Amino acid sequence: QVQLVESGGGVVQPGGSLRLSCAASGFTFVISTMHWVRQPPGKGLEWVAFISSDERNYNYADSVKGRFSISRDSSKTTLYLEMNSLTIEDTAVYYCARDRGDGSFDSWGQGTQVTFSS
Amino acid sequence: SYVLTQPPSVSVAPGKTATMTCVGTNIGSGSVHWYQQKPGQAPVQVIYSSSDRPSGIPERFSGSNSGNTAALTINRVEAGDEADYYCQVWDRVIDHWLFGGGTKLTVL
Repeated sequence: QVQLVESGGGVVQPGGSLRLSCAASGFTFVISTMHWVRQPPGKGLEWVAFISSDERNYNYADSVKGRFSISRDSSKTTLYLEMNSLTIEDTAVYYCARDRGDGSFDSWGQGTQVTFSS
Repeated sequence: SYVLTQPPSVSVAPGKTATMTCVGTNIGSGSVHWYQQKPGQAPVQVIYSSSDRPSGIPERFSGSNSGNTAALTINRVEAGDEADYYCQVWDRVIDHWLFGGGTKLTVL
């Protein structure tokens, strides 16, 4: 059974940093393309970043390019998202998702919340 | 930039058919995927490759895609189908993924 468990969210100040993790199990992580998708409170889904199975290909949404960095550790079957220079617009639930292989997301984690302190 | 447009809301009586659209320029030339999201929960894929159902998704859910419009149809709607529904495409040329704004399905 595919399982994706995110962690690392929390309360940050503008300009701060966070590192999100997504522990994967129940499938062959090493051959799977993975993504981060976020959802601001009360709003829709926004794709954030992807990384290919061999780590050679990756890309980011324009809204986070230059500030966020996606990576993976196949030995730990874990996906990461390093987030820097955070702004209030980055407030969201962050989900990791597995790519089915056709550009769709067939499995999702339960999400981790990123919020800002006033 | 490419835009996917979904109606904000659709209402339907139990037992009837709900159709939710996703409009994008020439969207029919590629694949569209659909997700259901209930309050406080993660999204669940209900249709992939425009018309295929993942394992465990009822046959009441179907998809179509032609021209500038893709559609998700739910037959014999049940109260448990009340949720937000999102369409999604992959622009493989620039490796960007895009969601529509979502449609809130209300079961009357």
